This record gives sequence, structure tokens and C-alpha cells, in this order.
Amino acid sequence: AQKITQTQPGMFVQEKEAVTLDCTYDTSDPSYGLFWYKQPSSGEMIFLIYQGSYDQQNATEGRYSLNFQKARKSANLVISASQLGDSAMYFCAMREGVNTGNQFYFGTGTSLTVIP
Amino acid sequence: EPEVTQTPSHQVTQMGQEVILRCVPISNHLYFYWYRQILGQKVEFLVSFYNNEISEKSEIFDDQFSVERPDGSNFTLKIRSTKLEDSAMYFCASSRETDNSPLHFGNGTRLTVT
Repeated sequence: AQKITQTQPGMFVQEKEAVTLDCTYDTSDPSYGLFWYKQPSSGEMIFLIYQGSYDQQNATEGRYSLNFQKARKSANLVISASQLGDSAMYFCAMREGVNTGNQFYFGTGTSLTVIP
Repeated sequence: EPEVTQTPSHQVTQMGQEVILRCVPISNHLYFYWYRQILGQKVEFLVSFYNNEISEKSEIFDDQFSVERPDGSNFTLKIRSTKLEDSAMYFCASSRETDNSPLHFGNGTRLTVT
């Protein structure tokens, strides 16, 4: 089974609107971390936001928030007030276990296009 | 803000040749990784490295691949005999030793095997 599933290969959003990018994960480990990365067309991978499996509250970082539903094993990224510069690929990732050296598993990504 | 640096940004090589991709991780990070991304596709794990040894590797990381931390700052990925299918963007990443520490990626080396 896939560790991380992103079911939206492409998404469009109007500038200034909010958009939700879906991510579901699969793990039997009680301790894990969930991460979102942005990859603009220039290719670099930019860390956006983190959610720990034991965190009681949803993570927020500026215009980014994470809608963490543990029972559903979902960790959707919400971008509020979209900007043209938000157009990029977005990857959801997970690290399992307490060993902080464990690999990160990545989803296949969602391509977001912000329409002016 | 400290960053992971990778060199070169683009490498073109002929099939069968050896290549070495270089990375300087963030100085206080302890875990180092190589990932690759074939154009337009998912990010694939190759190997992780801690305390001067490989801690985890994927099926992709076969005998043609090796990693080294030769001098306490550089972290290299060597591909001994490149194949056409090795063409990809190779990302080096590092992280600190805390649960919530993300991977910090370099800007990648685009490897083209002709």
C-alpha cells in the first residue's frame, strides 16, 4: 500500500480564494510526522508546514494550515487567500517512528495553478 | 539562514561513466539523505546516512550507488556506471535530530545521461 496518497494531480484556484490539497497516509506506527513541501517550477523543495501525530491542534503557518484528521488518516493542506506565486507542485510527506533519521515518504504531488 | 548546497547544478555525462554529486549539508544537522526525482514524477528515496554509515536505503540504491562523507562537511553520491534511466534531479537533504525537524533540501543536481 502507498504510504502517502495524493489523489488530485492538478488543481485550479482563483486568486484570493482558499484551496484544499488532499493527502491521506497509511501507517500503523503511533508516532509519525506529516510534512508539506512546495516545489515551484524552478525545482527547489520548500518546507511549508509540519504536523505531529500527537499534536492536539492543527498546525498553522501564515496562510498555510493543515486539516489533520487522525481517525481518517488525512492531512490536507489549506492555502488561504491564494496568490499567483502559490502556483507550484505540492508534496505531502510522512516520516514514521521515533527514529528521526527515518526516510520521508512522499506522495505523487498536486500541481496547483492560481488563476488571476 | 543556513542552507544545503549542491554542486554542480547540472551534470551531463555519457552512459557508463562515473559521476559524483556533491552536497554540503547544514552544519549542525546529523542526518543526511539523497532523493531523486525523475522529471515530473514523484520524489524517490535513495539513502539515508547517520554517524558515518548508511542507516537506510531503497531498492533503487543498488551496487552502482555509494555515498561518502569524506571530510565532515561534504556528503557525496557516486554513481559508478551511469545508465540512461539514471537521468533525474538528485536532491540532497539534511535534518536535525528532533521529531519535528523537516528535511531541508538543496536545490538539486540535474543529471542527464546521454
